[in-house]
Amino acid sequence: DTGVSQDPRHKITKRGQNVTFRCDPISEHNRLYWYRQTLGQGPEFLTYFQNEAQLEKSRLLSDRFSAERPKGSFSTLEIQRTEQGDSAMYLCASSDSPHYEQYFGPGTRLTVT
Amino acid sequence: DAKTTQPNSMESNEEEPVHLPCNHSTISGTDYIHWYRQLPSQGPEYVIHGLTSNVNNRMASLAIAEDRKSSTLILHRATLRDAAVYYCIPVNSNSGYALNFGKGTSLLVTP
Repeated sequence: DTGVSQDPRHKITKRGQNVTFRCDPISEHNRLYWYRQTLGQGPEFLTYFQNEAQLEKSRLLSDRFSAERPKGSFSTLEIQRTEQGDSAMYLCASSDSPHYEQYFGPGTRLTVT
Repeated sequence: DAKTTQPNSMESNEEEPVHLPCNHSTISGTDYIHWYRQLPSQGPEYVIHGLTSNVNNRMASLAIAEDRKSSTLILHRATLRDAAVYYCIPVNSNSGYALNFGKGTSLLVTP
């Protein structure tokens, strides 16, 4: 297993466009987390899944954001009507237990122009 | 969500031990203390975690205060590859995440 992968690594989009990111977790991990990181700050929690169930969402996740994890495998994070404030690194992590470490992907850097 | 306080930056010489402190005085009794580090343009990397007892692994040691209000990450012999931002985060034992990693400590290692 090669770890957590994210696609694309970079995305430049114009304000108002929709974007979708994909995360492929480590295959046996049932927990998947999404974070957002802006320049100079640490990651901030967005949402997490246990298998296919989305169990928690942060207040940061406005109505324009939606995440899915069909069949408890890969996950997608969609941002509709992007705004310049959405520019950030979007990180995905997976884990096989809440007590254990999370394995992070390399992130998707979004730039909204 | 428990808040943490870490120094903004620290500096160490190569091959010397480094002690990175973290204050988490409002930590919940069931929160684990996790440490991650992050290199530029990469996702965070797990370093170590513990609940009450001190912990050792191949990367580092974690010393947890008896009252759990603070902890110290110990890198026994710093290398240039250890230069990174180190985050100390209390992790909820049910959900497995922390709301915010904070700004962490930027560790500079000089040859």
